[in-house]
Amino acid sequence: AQSVAQPEDQVNVAEGNPLTVKCTYSVSGNPYLFWYVQYPNRGLQFLLKYITGDNLVKGSYGFEAEFNKSQTSFHLKKPSALVSDSALYFCAVRANQAGTALIFGKGTTLSVSS
Amino acid sequence: GAVVSQHPSWVICKSGTSVKIECRSLDFQATTMFWYRQFPKQSLMLMATSNEGSKATYEQGVEKDKFLINHASLTLSTLTVTSAHPEDSSFYICSASNLLSGNTIYFGEGSWLTVV
Repeated sequence: AQSVAQPEDQVNVAEGNPLTVKCTYSVSGNPYLFWYVQYPNRGLQFLLKYITGDNLVKGSYGFEAEFNKSQTSFHLKKPSALVSDSALYFCAVRANQAGTALIFGKGTTLSVSS
Repeated sequence: GAVVSQHPSWVICKSGTSVKIECRSLDFQATTMFWYRQFPKQSLMLMATSNEGSKATYEQGVEKDKFLINHASLTLSTLTVTSAHPEDSSFYICSASNLLSGNTIYFGEGSWLTVV
């Protein structure tokens, strides 16, 4: 069975500083990995995904994530945080099989201060 | 990106009544739809997977007689909460995918259910 761990409930950074939101995963076979962002009382917005290819994946709003197979990690990063990045971030994994659902981590609240 | 629409966004119902939430894929045919439940500031918990034209597959611990899921067409899935109780109050989110969307799964905006 697949699972995702987001070890931090909250990450606090100052505007302009780099940010990292951590994610580790467990899945049989090659993983499909995703990051989503959720603003209050809203659905999920897709940020980026790793399926295959380059380990560094670039996504929406300047976010990127690095797939590290040996550490089974897929940390989300951004070189310079914005106050508007403050939201709830979810890492998710799905198995390499058509029709399978995403399994989500518990979420990490990112708070960017001005 | 693909658009998934949920309706209603907010619904309040009385205890004991049933309420239906619709999930539509607006610009693609969704061969598979997923229903999640989310409590405030918590993660999304998968409730069930539905494939068009077949019965939904429910996750362990989810009462299929209480949460009726129908996926009658490639663009519409419905979740009906039957005999709702206050503990069913939650944020319900649907998502959809098809073979052409690659491995991206698109999410609706969610539906807030409050049972009074």
